[in-house]
Amino acid sequence: EPEVTQTPSHQVTQMGQEVILRCVPISNHLYFYWYRQILGQKVEFLVSFYNNEISEKSEIFDDQFSVERPDGSNFTLKIRSTKLEDSAMYFCASSLDSSPYPLHFGNGTRLTVT
Amino acid sequence: DAKTTQPPSMDCAEGRAANLPCNHSTISGNEYVYWYRQIHSQGPQYIIHGLKNNETNEMASLIITEDRKSSTLILPHATLRDTAVYYCIVRAYSGAGSYQLTFGKGTKLSVIP
Repeated sequence: EPEVTQTPSHQVTQMGQEVILRCVPISNHLYFYWYRQILGQKVEFLVSFYNNEISEKSEIFDDQFSVERPDGSNFTLKIRSTKLEDSAMYFCASSLDSSPYPLHFGNGTRLTVT
Repeated sequence: DAKTTQPPSMDCAEGRAANLPCNHSTISGNEYVYWYRQIHSQGPQYIIHGLKNNETNEMASLIITEDRKSSTLILPHATLRDTAVYYCIVRAYSGAGSYQLTFGKGTKLSVIP
């Protein structure tokens, strides 16, 4: 069964550094998403992406964050200058099309900012 | 905030059916009901979704009341691997409202040997 893959599984970075989280969505999917989950808290929506544009974003997704689909297979989340509070699990997801098609999630990248 | 209410935890004996309730009394006509689960710190796993008819797939059944104000997810024969946090989510599919999944705290299901 096709799945969303994320790399790396764990990334450690120093405060103030830039980090790029990578995702390979399911191949025929058109919508792409990033969510995050701070340890012990809820899964939170960050951004959705369609047709090379952001279609929705949350208040969390400020100017420190950006997303890109650099080629036909990868989808990336960049955090420009990491803060301690950016430490979380970051989940990528994709869906075949817009709602009501379900999202399929990867197993996440654990980002630790020291 | 999530527009659903779920019990924080439930237990189920291995091999028995697990029935997880969800209240979504303010659901709109343009919103589907989705169920996801999260095993430990893995990514949320899609289970099933429905609008107003009952749905069944290889993982579970979804029973939606006629007034659509509540639903029940049924795992017919729970195994230890079904121990997870289960999320009931409503999501718009047309018109006004966010098309994103808004996760609440879910129900922590413990399957007991």
